[in-house]
Order: sequence, then C-alpha cells, then structure tokens
Amino acid sequence: KAGVTQTPRYLIKTRGQQVTLSCSPISGHRSVSWYQQTPGQGLQFLFEYFSETQRNKGNFPGRFSGRQFSNSRSEMNVSTLELGDSALYLCASSQGYEQFFGPGTRLTVL
Amino acid sequence: TQLLEQSPQFLSIQEGENLTVYCNSSSVFSSLQWYRQEPGEGPVLLVTVVTGGEVKKLKRLTFQFGDARKDSSLHITAAQPGDTGLYLCAGADGATNKLIFGTGTLLAVQP
Repeated sequence: KAGVTQTPRYLIKTRGQQVTLSCSPISGHRSVSWYQQTPGQGLQFLFEYFSETQRNKGNFPGRFSGRQFSNSRSEMNVSTLELGDSALYLCASSQGYEQFFGPGTRLTVL
Repeated sequence: TQLLEQSPQFLSIQEGENLTVYCNSSSVFSSLQWYRQEPGEGPVLLVTVVTGGEVKKLKRLTFQFGDARKDSSLHITAAQPGDTGLYLCAGADGATNKLIFGTGTLLAVQP
C-alpha cells in the first residue's frame, strides 16, 4: 500500500498571504488528522476529519481550517499568515488508533 | 489538559551504550504509541502498547506500558548511529481517540 502523501513538500509565503496544503491518506483510511510541529511547541494537534466531518479540533485560531473530500483526501488552509505559522505541517491517516504520518509540508513565512 | 512529559529531552551517547527514555503523565491513556522521526520527515510508528504492564520488544528496542497506563518507557540496547532521531511518545485519549504527543527526546548516537 502506498503511504500518506503530502503536497507540496516545501512552501515559502509572506505575511498576510494564505496557503492550502494537501494530504492523501493511505487507501482505505477514512480518518485524517493534521498537526503543526515547531521546535518550541513540539507536535500540536490541529484537527481530525472522518468521513468528511470534523471530528476533533485542537486549540488553534480560526485562521486554520480544513476539509475532507469524499475520497478521504484532505486539505488544510491557513489564512492571513503570520511569522509564527512557520512550521512543519504533518498529516496522519488512521483506521483505528494507530496513526501513519506523511513526510510533512515545511512552511516558511517571511 | 493532558500532558505527556518525556525525559531526558536530549541524549548524546556512544555507539554500543544502552539508554532509557521515559514518558510520564498524570492522565490515563487507552493506548500509547512510540514514534521515531528523522529530520525533515514525518514520525514513523514503532510500536503500540495497549494493556497496563505490557512489554513489547522490537529487536534492540524494549517498550513498556505502566501498570496504571499513565507512563511508558523505551529502552534501547547497544545503540547504533541508525537509532539517531527524535523519539516521541503519544497517548490516545479513550473518549475522543485524540493522540496527545509527548515533548520528545532527541537522541544522537555517535559512532
């Protein structure tokens, strides 16, 4: 089975712009979770989607949003980018309680 | 708020040495997972422990889940440079299925 894929792998944006990241889960997995990883805060949960519905949400501002499509692919969007949004954004798919991560998208905000 | 504290935060050892990483919380988890992450990549799942007191071995790695399902440890025997990476524990909240990640342990094994 192919693993979790994320696109793009690297992204450079400027403050105030918006960005959309994409995640394709492992075939058959219906749950997709998003995380933000920074050196200072570690891995922080953003949200989880299951069957196109947001099932869980972390403590992030409304500038962070996501959605899931009928084929389980997911996107997350960050609007009005801030310097502090620079991070590795990780997507994970799961079928039970074990999560399988993609390689991440490295976002740099200048 | 559920928190998972890992210790030590950083560890630099010589090839062949043994080490133990600890993952502690005041919360009970339905399961606990260990991941290893290399620079620029996503975490890779190493093991999942579910039962209190459970011990799992993966070659030179031994994982233990505490009896009360609040803590866990990872022991590496005869560490090798290929073991270098960031080790993360993650506890699953039984009610929401959310994974709470630990603070991480950065391991460097020098040849």
